[in-house]
Amino acid sequence: QVQLQESGPGLVKPSQTLSLTCTVSGGSISSGDYYWSWIRQPPGKGLEWIGYIYYSGSTYYNPSLKSRVTISVDTSKNQFSLKLSSVTAADTAVYYCARARIAAAGPFDYWGQGTLVTVSS
Amino acid sequence: SYVLTQPPSVSVAPGQTARITCGGNNIGSKSVHWYQQKPGQAPVLVVYDDSDRPSGIPERFSGSNSGNTATLTISRVEAGDEADYYCQVWDSLYVFGTGTKVTVL
Repeated sequence: QVQLQESGPGLVKPSQTLSLTCTVSGGSISSGDYYWSWIRQPPGKGLEWIGYIYYSGSTYYNPSLKSRVTISVDTSKNQFSLKLSSVTAADTAVYYCARARIAAAGPFDYWGQGTLVTVSS
Repeated sequence: SYVLTQPPSVSVAPGQTARITCGGNNIGSKSVHWYQQKPGQAPVLVVYDDSDRPSGIPERFSGSNSGNTATLTISRVEAGDEADYYCQVWDSLYVFGTGTKVTVL
């Protein structure tokens, strides 16, 4: 059973960089069949996809966030990470990591439990 | 950008059928996935590729997709089905619907 677990600071100051890591267990992040994504959900609102990374390191970001987002992967640790720069209160959200099947625009079949990140001074 | 429109809320009595729509331009040409999210929990995939169910998801959950509308149908609704439901497609990026809150009366 694949499991994903987010970790990182729950509080970030405005203008600083949000950093989160997702640790994958029960399966290899180096499987060529999946993209590894970050998704967020502001309190009381809907889901927004942030971006994904392939095990090779290739990335693809939501154009609305592209200028501030960096996603990286560490296959030796079976982890991938998110950095979001120049954060504001609007970036306060629960951040999820998730796995998506590549073939035929597949679904997000496994999700982490999510971690709340609050942007506040 | 591609927009997926869902009704904000659907109310249904126990044992009845709930239908949640997801509207998008020519959505019938895309693979649609549906997620259930209960308060304080991560989303859970309940239907993928328009109408397939992951293992462990009851047969009461079914999906269809044609034209400009995809539909998630929950038959014989139970109290435990009360949750938010989101549709999702790929259109040059991953797009989620606006979400529908299902209330079991």
